[in-house]
Amino acid sequence: GESVGLHLPTLSVQEGDNSIINCAYSNSASDYFIWYKQESGKGPQFIIDIRSNMDKRQGQRVTVLLNKTVKHLSLQIAATQPGDSAVYFCADSPRGGKLSFGAGTTVTVRA
Amino acid sequence: GAVVSQHPSWVICKSGTSVKIECRSLDFQATTMFWYRQFPKQSLMLMATSNEGSKATYEQGVEKDKFLINHASLTLSTLTVTSAHPEDSSFYICSAAKGTSGVAQYFGPGTRLLVL
Repeated sequence: GESVGLHLPTLSVQEGDNSIINCAYSNSASDYFIWYKQESGKGPQFIIDIRSNMDKRQGQRVTVLLNKTVKHLSLQIAATQPGDSAVYFCADSPRGGKLSFGAGTTVTVRA
Repeated sequence: GAVVSQHPSWVICKSGTSVKIECRSLDFQATTMFWYRQFPKQSLMLMATSNEGSKATYEQGVEKDKFLINHASLTLSTLTVTSAHPEDSSFYICSAAKGTSGVAQYFGPGTRLLVL
């Protein structure tokens, strides 16, 4: 079964606000985590990744936080834009193995 | 960059025919490629792991004789759906692993298959 799950299937956010998407994982052996964005009818697009030796990693308008104590992963999107509307998947990989995907969170940006 | 292409982007075929889908890593070499299947509003389901020069590793419940995978070079993997039936209709997505130690996978745009 899946080792990764998302807390909420949907998230509605006002344009310009910050978005936080959460993910919980159960596999203690997971040492690599990654977030993908998937727009309708397209393949998943790499957003950001983080290894278990880090707690935080920042990209352009995105930040990934990893809390290994409670096995929690989050993706923060700053100043959410309409183009951020998509399904977001977290995935984990134990020791360089295959990725295990969560169920996905659908983010809808309100104008 | 890390660009992965798939061809075709969509295909409609008659029941009983075979369909081949190509996955190419355009700007990097990929020792390992992956094939996923995705149903509407669902997550990605890994079908198989394709290793260049060796046999693919299939996930439990995936028929290897039904879904033939060939990884002939470091930039090309193919998935052939043999004797396709309507229940094989789905969105098929490939990915390629860039670098070593099983790091980030970069996905293709997907192929939508409709079997009539």
